[in-house]
Amino acid sequence: DGGITQSPKYLFRKEGQNVTLSCEQNLNHDAMYWYRQDPGQGLRLIYYSQIVNDFQKGDIAEGYSVSREKKESFPLTVTSAQKNPTAFYLCASSVLGSGSPGELFFGEGSRLTVL
Amino acid sequence: GESVGLHLPTLSVQEGDNSIINCAYSNSASDYFIWYKQESGKGPQFIIDIRSNMDKRQGQRVTVLLNKTVKHLSLQIAATQPGDSAVYFCAETPGGGNKLTFGTGTQLKVEL
Repeated sequence: DGGITQSPKYLFRKEGQNVTLSCEQNLNHDAMYWYRQDPGQGLRLIYYSQIVNDFQKGDIAEGYSVSREKKESFPLTVTSAQKNPTAFYLCASSVLGSGSPGELFFGEGSRLTVL
Repeated sequence: GESVGLHLPTLSVQEGDNSIINCAYSNSASDYFIWYKQESGKGPQFIIDIRSNMDKRQGQRVTVLLNKTVKHLSLQIAATQPGDSAVYFCAETPGGGNKLTFGTGTQLKVEL
């Protein structure tokens, strides 16, 4: 089945450690995104990429890094520089140039807890 | 509508009634609006979108209304069902692009 796969679903990390969240899509979408969601709040954009080997910072990129070496993969690294990393992380993809540019396809999310 | 902090606004409706979820936006440059549904522990799902050159758009059991004068967006769900229970987010973007700004969400609870 086509879709977005995020892993791991749950992750625990000690302070000071980097952690990488995986995001893979087999929808052949050009654009991919990472959002962060905190309890009772909306989604905030961390990074996005519209083409392989290129990505742009979103609204809250500090303390995060990404890569886009393959069209289907967009991993997110939460570094030790991120002050408050405990959150629900959502990866999404979309078709560029479609009639509904705001139609993002989301994964099931990864919940990161820093101990 | 919008809220700040940990407590989402909640709308409780009886099964079979119509639901109206509201959203206010502040960016006058926004010209494309989207509604998403998020069930507990899952990623959001696209429901419907509307461009600023329209004031109403209908989908299956859903209608989105846009009032640009007062910067207000609403999602109407007809004959609400238990499966509609979720958090609903509005999102906006200037220029009709794909870099979305999400609202804080409204929790819809359907009572049997």
